Amino acid sequence: EAQVTQNPRYLITVTGKKLTVTCSQNMNHEYMSWYRQDPGLGLRQIYYSMNVEVTDKGDVPEGYKVSRKEKRNFPLILESPSPNQTSLYFCASRGIWGSNTEAFFGQGTRLTVV
Amino acid sequence: AQSVTQLGSHVSVSEGALVLLRCNYSSSVPPYLFWYVQYPNQGLQLLLKYTSAATLVKGINGFEAEFKKSETSFHLTKPSAHMSDAAEYFCASGGSQGNLIFGKGTKLSVKP
Repeated sequence: EAQVTQNPRYLITVTGKKLTVTCSQNMNHEYMSWYRQDPGLGLRQIYYSMNVEVTDKGDVPEGYKVSRKEKRNFPLILESPSPNQTSLYFCASRGIWGSNTEAFFGQGTRLTVV
Repeated sequence: AQSVTQLGSHVSVSEGALVLLRCNYSSSVPPYLFWYVQYPNQGLQLLLKYTSAATLVKGINGFEAEFKKSETSFHLTKPSAHMSDAAEYFCASGGSQGNLIFGKGTKLSVKP
């Protein structure tokens, strides 16, 4: 079954404690991205990757890092989380970028930073 | 820059009534357009997508959308709402970098 898997689904952490949210896809997609969803703001892109070792900033990259060492994995790293990063996070993957193929989304990670 | 505008952050309809969720896009090139649905505590699921093969696109769960280039619109409709349609709906456009540009979403409530 084609899927994007994120872990964990829920996470409560304290300010400043480094964390990683994992994302893995089994569709051999080139394009992967991270979004955060906040009430009234919709989904905003944090980082994206067009292939292995190719990553770039989205609209709201501050405070986040990513890496793409393998095609299937695209972890999101918060080196020093702050309360304003409390949000719902989604990982997505997509086939041939620039085409009209749809994106597949993970189930989301609800992060609370206290 | 490309953008997607969804009119109405909340829409409420009665069960059995017509559902109309509005989406307008801005693009200087033929757009790639999508509608996604998000049920509570779940990820986003594709409802339908515009492929340029036909202006009227049929999706899952009885939804459809009509692409109107002259109005730069891609409104989502369903003839008869069901309680299970209560969810948040997102319109999206394919960006030039391969990303998807989302509207802010419309939360649909269905009254019995």
